[in-house]
Amino acid sequence: AQSVTQLDSQVPVFEEAPVELRCNYSSSVSVYLFWYVQYPNQGLQLLLKYLSGSTLVKGINGFEAEFNKSQTSFHLRKPSVHISDTAEYFCAVISLTGGGNKLTFGTGTQLKVEL
Amino acid sequence: DAGVIQSPRHEVTEMGQEVTLRCKPISGHNSLFWYRQTMMRGLELLIYFNNNVPIDDSGMPEDRFSAKMPNASFSTLKIQPSEPRDSAVYFCASSFKEGASSGNTIYFGEGSWLTVV
Repeated sequence: AQSVTQLDSQVPVFEEAPVELRCNYSSSVSVYLFWYVQYPNQGLQLLLKYLSGSTLVKGINGFEAEFNKSQTSFHLRKPSVHISDTAEYFCAVISLTGGGNKLTFGTGTQLKVEL
Repeated sequence: DAGVIQSPRHEVTEMGQEVTLRCKPISGHNSLFWYRQTMMRGLELLIYFNNNVPIDDSGMPEDRFSAKMPNASFSTLKIQPSEPRDSAVYFCASSFKEGASSGNTIYFGEGSWLTVV
């Protein structure tokens, strides 16, 4: 079975400061990993995804994430946040074997950017 | 380019009433997903379709819930009878075939906010 843990439910940060949102996954097989963002009263939007290749993945809005297989992590980072980055961020995983198409989401991390 | 379109955006209904949520996936996508989001349980996959055929409905909570996809451009999620614990945001999403398991991006609609009183 696959699972995702987002340890931080809320992360407050000042504008222009760097931020890291943590994500750890559990799966006994190879995985694809995704980060989605949800702005208030909206659906989820893909930020970036790791399928294979380079472990450093760059996404939209200046975000990037690093896949670390040994630590089973896929942390999301941004060197300098903006007020408009205030939103909820979801990490998601899907195992590549075992059949099915069940993308499992973490519980989300609320990023609050303050002036 | 139109995204995934859901209706209604908001619905308030009384316990026991039938609720029908509608979804139009992105044109050309052949996988469709229904998710439910609540504070307690987060995002849960209820059911997904490939080429209009239900593939996995193991996430459907109980028999009160049913989903159909009569054609490639329309799907419904029905709750009958509705209960207060069904209050949640219901998201429809679509992707090219097999969605995330093929590395394809899943595109979400803006959600249907359901309140059952």
